[in-house]
Amino acid sequence: KAGVTQTPRYLIKTRGQQVTLSCSPISGHRSVSWYQQTPGQGLQFLFEYFSETQRNKGNFPGRFSGRQFSNSRSEMNVSTLELGDSALYLCASTGSGANVLTFGAGSRLTVL
Amino acid sequence: DQQVKQNSPSLSVQEGRISILNCDYTNSMFDYFLWYKKYPAEGPTFLISISSIKDKNEDGRFTVFLNKSAKHLSLHIVPSQPGDSAVYFCAASDSGGGADGLTFGKGTHLIIQP
Repeated sequence: KAGVTQTPRYLIKTRGQQVTLSCSPISGHRSVSWYQQTPGQGLQFLFEYFSETQRNKGNFPGRFSGRQFSNSRSEMNVSTLELGDSALYLCASTGSGANVLTFGAGSRLTVL
Repeated sequence: DQQVKQNSPSLSVQEGRISILNCDYTNSMFDYFLWYKKYPAEGPTFLISISSIKDKNEDGRFTVFLNKSAKHLSLHIVPSQPGDSAVYFCAASDSGGGADGLTFGKGTHLIIQP
């Protein structure tokens, strides 16, 4: 069974640009969550999608958005990038009734 | 306001000895706790969990203890092995561990010395 796949693995952007990150969950998993990991703050919850609907949202500005497609694949978008957005963005999926997240390897974003 | 705290950024333990990683929480609504392990350039992987109705859960070399009155949990690894060197994250949920938002600590970097 393939794991959670995130693309791209690494990317570099400049301030003011926007970025889109992609996540393919484990086959059959309908819930996808996104987390931001920074050295000073650990893992912080961004949002969670289930059946194409945002079910929960963390405390991030509106520049951070996401969506989920009918095949459960998810994307997150960050607009008007700031230096502080440099982080590892982790996607995780979980199956129905399950209570453990399976994480992907992450997308490392560097904002210059 | 940090609801899950891992006060030791790093911990060094000799191979074969016991590693004890600690985690404190402030939100009394948390009812499910998990530990994740993370190697560099990889995503976190689930290690072990415990429900608030229990005070101990064991899985091989890994045991998690929960002290609800103290709002404290700990992960014991016995015996510690070189492959245990990683960053360990404590996480908590107020929805039975569901996917709608885990609160993570900042992590403890465990280093196993040969």
